[in-house]
Amino acid sequence: AQSVTQLGSHVSVSEGALVLLRCNYSSSVPPYLFWYVQYPNQGLQLLLKYTTGATLVKGINGFEAEFKKSETSFHLTKPSAHMSDAAEYFCAVSPRGRDDKIIFGKGTRLHILP
Amino acid sequence: NAGVTQTPKFRVLKTGQSMTLLCAQDMNHEYMYWYRQDPGMGLRLIHYSVGEGTTAKGEVPDGYNVSRLKKQNFLLGLESAAPSQTSVYFCASSYPPTYEQYFGPGTRLTVT
Repeated sequence: AQSVTQLGSHVSVSEGALVLLRCNYSSSVPPYLFWYVQYPNQGLQLLLKYTTGATLVKGINGFEAEFKKSETSFHLTKPSAHMSDAAEYFCAVSPRGRDDKIIFGKGTRLHILP
Repeated sequence: NAGVTQTPKFRVLKTGQSMTLLCAQDMNHEYMYWYRQDPGMGLRLIHYSVGEGTTAKGEVPDGYNVSRLKKQNFLLGLESAAPSQTSVYFCASSYPPTYEQYFGPGTRLTVT
């Protein structure tokens, strides 16, 4: 069965520092891949997604993620953290052509230190 | 275009009471989902629907029922609420082939 692992339930970075949130999936066939962000007391919104083509995908608010098939990873990065990036981030996968649901990781809460 | 809306936004129930949460979407999506979100547990799928008139069980269906009488609406019912059902409930809709989820703003339910 497909699974998604997010390393670290809490990550703290200083304002202006690099943000790196890790996501690994288990699947023999590369799935569709997503990152969602959830700000306090709000629903989840799509940050970026990988479906096909270029393995480096850019999303909103300066975030990007790289699909690495050999590492079964889809890590999320941002060069310079801003206080407004404090939120919970969810990685998710959707098996290609084999399911009508997506599987979410347990989330990583990002804290930005002044 | 409102996207996915949920009503109510907040609700407090006593143990044993019943209620229905309403989800509506205006994107003509075939697929709709109900999730619950609890601290440290991530999102867990309760029930979902692949089209009008269909429903299916997700990961944690016990204690909940759903109905999809119209394509744009997906209702989640609690027949006899329990404190363990205190949670934040999210509705989502999607479309193939990626099944990218479009989420509503959530309903915060407390059962005392």
